[in-house]
Amino acid sequence: GAGVSQSPSNKVTEKGKDVELRCDPISGHTALYWYRQSLGQGLEFLIYFQGNSAPDKSGLPSDRFSAERTGGSVSTLTIQRTQQEDSAVYLCASSLGGSSRTDTQYFGPGTRLTVL
Amino acid sequence: AQSVTQPDIHITVSEGASLELRCNYSYGATPYLFWYVQSPGQGLQLLLKYFSGDTLVQGIKGFEAEFKRSQSSFNLRKPSVHWSDAAEYFCAINDYKLSFGAGTTVTVRA
Repeated sequence: GAGVSQSPSNKVTEKGKDVELRCDPISGHTALYWYRQSLGQGLEFLIYFQGNSAPDKSGLPSDRFSAERTGGSVSTLTIQRTQQEDSAVYLCASSLGGSSRTDTQYFGPGTRLTVL
Repeated sequence: AQSVTQPDIHITVSEGASLELRCNYSYGATPYLFWYVQSPGQGLQLLLKYFSGDTLVQGIKGFEAEFKRSQSSFNLRKPSVHWSDAAEYFCAINDYKLSFGAGTTVTVRA
């Protein structure tokens, strides 16, 4: 079956530009997560959506980062006024969402963002 | 707060030899632990997970892990490594969001 998909796979942008990264979760998964993977910081949690509940935004590094999830499915992570330190691989994951601590999160291939 | 430590940044192993990757966790309650593998340019693939019960869990690709509460460890093992096992391995603990260790890169030599 189809897994988590992300687009674009690679994005190169100039400092100061805004970027949007997209995630399509596995059909039927109610929980969606964004993580960031960078050389200096490893794998970091960014934001978590569960059904219609308010998202857990505790991992967003600054107010330049935002995310939304439309119709309980597709999610978009937006980074405004990009900085060079935003360069990283952004990973999306989804899970069934019934019991979050035991849920298995399935990851997409990631979007590699390079800020020049 | 929960945390995971992977003490080994890089391990080199000969093809056919055994492999053990270390993971130590810090968590105040019952931990929910996962091992993921990431091949170059790929996303994370789940190898195995531990929630409760038997302390030895089996995963995909011939991997297993042993949970030891007394040592706060969840080490990953494989009896005989294949060249395709060269990848980066991450231990993670789940508290509604995953907290990952720094990862261990495994190199397999012929």
